[in-house]
Amino acid sequence: NAGVTQTPKFQVLKTGQSMTLQCAQDMNHNSMYWYRQDPGMGLRLIYYSASEGTTDKGEVPNGYNVSRLNKREFSLRLESAAPSQTSVYFCASSQINQPQHFGDGTRLSIL
Amino acid sequence: GEDVEQSLFLSVREGDSSVINCTYTDSSSTYLYWYKQEPGAGLQLLTYIFSNMDMKQDQRLTVLLNKKDKHLSLRIADTQTGDSAIYFCAESIASGTYKYIFGTGTRLKVLA
Repeated sequence: NAGVTQTPKFQVLKTGQSMTLQCAQDMNHNSMYWYRQDPGMGLRLIYYSASEGTTDKGEVPNGYNVSRLNKREFSLRLESAAPSQTSVYFCASSQINQPQHFGDGTRLSIL
Repeated sequence: GEDVEQSLFLSVREGDSSVINCTYTDSSSTYLYWYKQEPGAGLQLLTYIFSNMDMKQDQRLTVLLNKKDKHLSLRIADTQTGDSAIYFCAESIASGTYKYIFGTGTRLKVLA
């Protein structure tokens, strides 16, 4: 009964370091999403993948890259982390025009 | 552009009803959703309503949709301390691929 699984749950990076946030879903959903959540700003879409093999930019894509590895997995990469990328990152999945299901988030701090 | 607005805070006494309000701008929304976020957790889907409905009830939760005014509300009956959380309103919009627009969330505090 896993749903959407994100790893790691917490991470501290130094400015300029790189890292990849992992996300996997077991609901056979076609669409997957990456959001960031900052205080007072709700959720902002970084990138999404409408289906396996496709990815598109969302509202705040700068500084991030994504890979839809297969239908289950969608990773988010920070190539050169900046303090402005300190946030909580959520992965979600859905079938088209159906409710999104969210992971528990990755809390990322960049010093 | 598309926008979803909510008030930031709501405080109620345990046992009272809570009403959380949301307004949206895009009239092409297909579904409207309510999510609950507890501290340190992800967003949990509470309920959702198709845009051609005006009401949905699910145990203690009642969703009202006024499509003319683009207004959505979530009523929680007999509010408990365990209902303290942030509640997000969201809509899905048919726009090429489907888009999801989230509000900034309403923090509900339930006083014992």
